[in-house]
Amino acid sequence: ELKVEQNPLFLSMQEGKNYTIYCNYSTTSDRLYWYRQDPGKSLESLFVLLSNGAVKQEGRLMASLDTKARLSTLHITAAVHDLSATYFCAVDMDRGGSNYKLTFGKGTLLTVNP
Amino acid sequence: DAGITQSPRHKVTETGTPVTLRCHQTENHRYMYWYRQDPGHGLRLIHYSYGVKDTDKGEVSDGYSVSRSKTEDFLLTLESATSSQTSVYFCAIHGQGSNEQFFGPGTRLTVL
Repeated sequence: ELKVEQNPLFLSMQEGKNYTIYCNYSTTSDRLYWYRQDPGKSLESLFVLLSNGAVKQEGRLMASLDTKARLSTLHITAAVHDLSATYFCAVDMDRGGSNYKLTFGKGTLLTVNP
Repeated sequence: DAGITQSPRHKVTETGTPVTLRCHQTENHRYMYWYRQDPGHGLRLIHYSYGVKDTDKGEVSDGYSVSRSKTEDFLLTLESATSSQTSVYFCAIHGQGSNEQFFGPGTRLTVL
């Protein structure tokens, strides 16, 4: 059974600071997704990482994937209040297949304080 | 929003009644999914479809059935709703070109 663990589950940070959210998963996969969810809303796709060493950046967020360590990170640079949301990582459990079935972590609730 | 709509958006029903949720997409995507979201669990896959009439179970399929008679519609049915099925249900599609999964707006279901 594929397990996806995010930590921390809760993160309170000050504006202007940097922090990293970690996503560990238990079995081989080379497709990893990051999503953002605002309260009461749907999930917004942030990044899709499709190979070992993949790095993607958008604004103050940067995601990376290390398939050998089974680890992805979401790094937040100089946080601003608008980044407050819940962030999910998800791993494609269908190794070698093509059904794109995702297993999600429990999410990290990020609160950025002024 | 990748052209995904869900209906109804909110529903309150009683234990033991049948419920059908509809997911509709306008962009001819082959792969469609139903997930449920509960506090402390993230999202969990219920069922998915890889084509018309082609469906399979996900992680939490007990008590749910699905049907896909047309490319654009993926239906999730609770044959006899239970309180444990109170949840927010999200439909998703997989864009093979972009390799992204896009989610619909969600349906909040309450079973009393």
